[in-house]
Amino acid sequence: AQKVTQAQTEISVVEKEDVTLDCVYETRDTTYYLFWYKQPPSGELVFLIRRNSFDEQNEISGRYSWNFQKSTSSFNFTITASQVVDSAVYFCALSERETSGSRLTFGEGTQLTVNP
Amino acid sequence: DTGVSQDPRHKITKRGQNVTFRCDPISEHNRLYWYRQTLGQGPEFLTYFQNEAQLEKSRLLSDRFSAERPKGSFSTLEIQRTEQGDSAMYLCASSLSPDRRETQYFGPGTRLTVL
Repeated sequence: AQKVTQAQTEISVVEKEDVTLDCVYETRDTTYYLFWYKQPPSGELVFLIRRNSFDEQNEISGRYSWNFQKSTSSFNFTITASQVVDSAVYFCALSERETSGSRLTFGEGTQLTVNP
Repeated sequence: DTGVSQDPRHKITKRGQNVTFRCDPISEHNRLYWYRQTLGQGPEFLTYFQNEAQLEKSRLLSDRFSAERPKGSFSTLEIQRTEQGDSAMYLCASSLSPDRRETQYFGPGTRLTVL
């Protein structure tokens, strides 16, 4: 069965610090997709990134970067030079394309607080 | 390009009442999903539609829950005889399939409080 674990429940940093959010997943499929979503206090889930299981190339988008390692079943998310506006709950999610349609299985989320 | 919209944003009801929520997906998206999120947890899948066909239902979706997407556009989620345990945020998402960049985009959610 698919499972996503975000071991860090809460992280608190000071503005301009770098922070890494961990995500570990379990799946039996060879084809799957990994996602990160941001949920600010307003409540709406905002899509950040999607990776497929065949593409282990790391990705950078501005201050955000993602490190996908199949060998350790991890898909970690780093925010460089954090800002107060980055404060939110961040969810990692998994979609097993072949066995469960496109349903997303989410981790429990990491609450990130960036203090000024 | 308008995003996913949900109505109402908040609903307070008494135990035993029926409630219905509406979701309008992104216009060209053929897949529509419902999730439920309780406080401090990640969203949990409930059901999804491809066009008007309901293709998958979670075991979380008890007999009191029913979802429809009659014309393959908007969807409704009805909860009959609400219980306090139904209090949660109900999230709707939509996506375009098949699409190599298939991604689910979420609406703002409907927060249900059952008294």
